[in-house]
Parts: sequence; C-alpha cells; structure tokens
Amino acid sequence: QKEVEQNSGPLSVPEGAIASLNCTYSDRVSQSFFWYRQYSGKSPELIMSIYSNGDKEDGRFTAQLNKASQYVSLLIRDSQPSDSATYLCAVARSGGYNKLIFGAGTRLAVHP
Amino acid sequence: DVKVTQSSRYLVKRTGEKVFLECVQDMDHENMFWYRQDPGLGLRLIYFSYDVKMKEKGDIPEGYSVSREKKERFSLILESASTNQTSMYLCAISRGMNQPQHFGDGTRLSIL
Repeated sequence: QKEVEQNSGPLSVPEGAIASLNCTYSDRVSQSFFWYRQYSGKSPELIMSIYSNGDKEDGRFTAQLNKASQYVSLLIRDSQPSDSATYLCAVARSGGYNKLIFGAGTRLAVHP
Repeated sequence: DVKVTQSSRYLVKRTGEKVFLECVQDMDHENMFWYRQDPGLGLRLIYFSYDVKMKEKGDIPEGYSVSREKKERFSLILESASTNQTSMYLCAISRGMNQPQHFGDGTRLSIL
C-alpha cells in the first residue's frame, strides 16, 4: 500500500462545475496536509494547507480532512480551464524535520 | 513572497561529470530539501538539511551528495553523472514543523 494515494486521472470536468480530488494516507499520526497544483513543466505551487478535521475554504478551493478515515480532499468550485493541472496531495511524515510524502498526483482537465 | 532560486532551468551534462545544482533562499528557513521528479514516479526525496552543515539522507540518496555551508544555500552534487540521473530536480524550503514546503522553479537536467 502506498503511503499517500491519489487517483491518477485524468479527471475531466466541464467549465463551471465542481472538481473533486481525493487523497488517502496510511500514517494515522500525520498532522499536516497540503495540496499543491503543478502545471506541466512547472514546479509545484502550494494552494491549501489543512491541519484540523473539517473544511477549510479559500476562494474557490475547499480542503476537507477526515483523520478518522485518513482521507483528505480538495474541491474546486466554478472550475476554469486555467485550473487544468496536476494536483498533488502531500502529508507530513511523523518523525520530525517536516518531511512530506507526496502522492503521485491527479491530472485535472477542465474543458470549455 | 517566498523566494527559492535554483541556479539553472535547463542543464546538459555528460556521463561521468561532476554536476552541481545550487539552491538559494531569501526566507531564513531552517529546512531545505532536494527532490527529483520523474514521470510515473512522482516526487522523491534525495536529501534534506535542517541546519547549516547538517544533512540527512532521503529516500534515494545513492549517487548524490549535498552541501550546506550557509543557511541560505543548499547544493546538490552528482558525484559522477549517469544517464539514469536525467530528471527534473526540485529544491524546496520550509520554516519548521508542520509547515508547508515551497519550491523553486526546478532544474531540468539531461545527462548524455
């Protein structure tokens, strides 16, 4: 079992729809969770951090965390073609030094 | 804005060469990381550093070494470059425990 799992996609949604990206993790003691967006040929860019169970909203983005189910998700409302990218889920490793474990990423395609 | 500068966007070297990749930050963050990213394999941690002159191996340190003589600069060294080290190399920084990592623009390295 991979430590951080994401569906590789591609996830295809029409413009204006809600895109839902999911991530599961294996380490029960993980405390910090991050979503990154990566455009083709570019480096990952942080879009959301979440530390507590529940929802966290930032503009069109909502991160959801359920530690009991070891599940974190990212919702993108009113999806735009510019949201087309690979979304990486990252989970802080236990044991210090702020190392992150990255999922392989979900490719999102928003079509007009 | 977080600023992480990698010395080259594109680099072409020959097998057997000693290759230096430089990463400089202006944020005074303690933690610095080197990753490589390959299609289908995701982001893999090579080495990280949590303080000046301190370093720890990541998941794939073989064939690499690092140097951190000053807080703002973290260098990745390919001792004797091989073709299987052709990859995108990404430097990241973070402030401390449970904080997100911020990435530089990456260096696309080709070993011929």
